[in-house]
Parts: sequence; C-alpha cells; structure tokens
Amino acid sequence: QVQLQESGPGLVKPSETLSLTCAVSGYSISSGYYWGWIRQPPGKGLEWIGSIYHSGSTYYNPSLKSRVTISVDTSKNQFSLKLSSVTAADTAVYYCARYRIEMASNWFDPWGQGTLVTVSS
Amino acid sequence: SYELTQPPSVSVSPGQTARITCSGDALPKQYAYWYQQKPGQAPVLVIYKDSERPSGIPERFSGSSSGTTVTLTISGVQAEDEADYYCQSADSSGTYQGVVFGGGTKLTVL
Repeated sequence: QVQLQESGPGLVKPSETLSLTCAVSGYSISSGYYWGWIRQPPGKGLEWIGSIYHSGSTYYNPSLKSRVTISVDTSKNQFSLKLSSVTAADTAVYYCARYRIEMASNWFDPWGQGTLVTVSS
Repeated sequence: SYELTQPPSVSVSPGQTARITCSGDALPKQYAYWYQQKPGQAPVLVIYKDSERPSGIPERFSGSSSGTTVTLTISGVQAEDEADYYCQSADSSGTYQGVVFGGGTKLTVL
C-alpha cells in the first residue's frame, strides 16, 4: 500500500523559498509512475503545481513555472518541491500524490495528508 | 486557460440522489476524475476515467459523461457523504502533461 508523507517548514518569510519533501513508502519511486504536488489555499480549491517522473522529467503549471522546481531522489525514495519568491498568496496546504498517466488518462491517487505552509514575516 | 466548471453547492436530503456536474470543452475527448474531500482531510479519488470506481468506494458513487459535461451521482446519500467534491481532467493540450481542477462543489446533506 503506497503512502506519502509531506514534510517541511510550516512558516516561510515573504520573498524566500518554500521547500517541501514527500517521502514515499510501500513503493519504490524508481520502479515507475509520476509523482505530483497540489496545493489548496485556505477555504479555496485545488491547484496543480507540477509533476515529475522517476527519471526526472517534469511538467509544471504554466502559472507557477517560473518559480517552481520539482526534483526526485530515488536513493531516499522521495521527491521535493521548491517554490521561490513566495508571497502571502502562496499560503496553502500543500499535498503530494502519486500521479498516474495511462493511455488518454491522468489522475492522482493516493494523496499525502497535506502540510500547511504559511507565508508571513 | 482551460477551465472546468462546477456548481458551488448542491443540497439533498438523506436517501435522495445527488448529482454534481462538471463542464469543460475538452471533456468529450478526455476522461474526468472525481475527488471527495472532507474537512481537514486530503482528497480521496472516488471516480476515475469518467465512470470507474476504485476499490473501497461504495457502490452508491457513480460517474457518467455526456458531451462537454460529466456527472458524479451519489445514490441514497448518507450524512457521511457531506463533503467538497472536485472534478479533474487533463489540460486542453491533449498531452496529459498538465492538470486542471474544477472549482469544487460543496455537498450539503440536509
């Protein structure tokens, strides 16, 4: 059973870089699948941030692409998110999830429990 | 940019049928997926590829597609089904590299 767990600072100062890690258990990242990050501002809907394949190829939301870097560390069975130049608008619960791409289909399952990141001085 | 449109809210009484719609121009060519999110919890996949139900999801959850609209149907709604529901699909590029979510629908069980 695949499980994902996000970790990282819960408070980031404006203009700094948000860094989160997603540890995967029950499955070896190097075996395949894509992996993704999604965020949810308080009281709002879901926003896809980006996805990465175990080989390292990435896809990013065009609206965030200039500030986002997603990387994978197969030796630690985890993948990471970096979001630079953050503002209060980046305050959100950040989720990691396995991202399945098959013929003509793509979806997230399962999801991590999420971690709240607040951007404030 | 491509958007998926959902009604902000749907209300039903226990035992009735709830229908939540999601509209998008590319849906005739792309599958849609549905997630249930209860307060303080992560989203859970309840329908994939328009109408497939993952293991462990109750049979009262079903999905359908017609033209530019997909529908999540919950038959015999129970109090525990009160949650936010989000649809998701690929972006309109057709490459399945990008993802778009609907704005979400709050299901209230009266």
